[in-house]
Amino acid sequence: QVQLVQSGAEVKKPGASVKVSCKASGYTFTSYGISWVRQAPGQGLEWMGWISAYNGNTNYAQKLQGRVTMTTDTSTSTAYMELRSLRSDDTAVYYCARRVVKGASDYWGQGTLVTVSS
Amino acid sequence: QSALTQPASVSGSPGQSITISCTGTSSDVGGYNYVSWYQQHPGKAPKLMIYEVSNRPSGVPDRFSGSKSGNTASLTISGLQAEDEADYYCSSYTSSSTVVFGGGTKLTVL
Repeated sequence: QVQLVQSGAEVKKPGASVKVSCKASGYTFTSYGISWVRQAPGQGLEWMGWISAYNGNTNYAQKLQGRVTMTTDTSTSTAYMELRSLRSDDTAVYYCARRVVKGASDYWGQGTLVTVSS
Repeated sequence: QSALTQPASVSGSPGQSITISCTGTSSDVGGYNYVSWYQQHPGKAPKLMIYEVSNRPSGVPDRFSGSKSGNTASLTISGLQAEDEADYYCSSYTSSSTVVFGGGTKLTVL
């Protein structure tokens, strides 16, 4: 069965960086992209970007350009999302999800809470 | 890219039908048949309910249906059940090759 398992919760200080991992299993990793979506406490979903696991091509949300990097390691079927220069408003649950078609993700990780606080 | 517009809340009684709207622009909803709908229960990850405007993934009940007219997409849930109470989000592919979500709609089953 398809599973996406994310790394554990993180607490970071403003200005630091965080790297969240997402290990995929149950399907051919390079046949699908991975999307990243975040959700601030009590707020809605925000699309962060996606990466093709086939060729590494990425597309990021404009507001995160320059602060976010998405990568994959095909040898371990793992995707990574790194966010730099963290601010308090980056506090959120971060989800990875398998991109099945443009704009749609069918399997989601369990979420990783990233808390940014001094 | 501005968020798609959804009503903040809708409600209905068991057995009834409800519709949630999702309004965008010709650069997203109106320009592509790549509208998706997600259901999210509290503390859980989102679940894909509809993709490409009206397609249901395997395992999603046929009580859930999607449609689109112009710049507005809609999710209809018929035969409302208690377990349908959740937050619902629409999303659309955009002309910038990005994805934009709606603000979310809280569905209450009375």
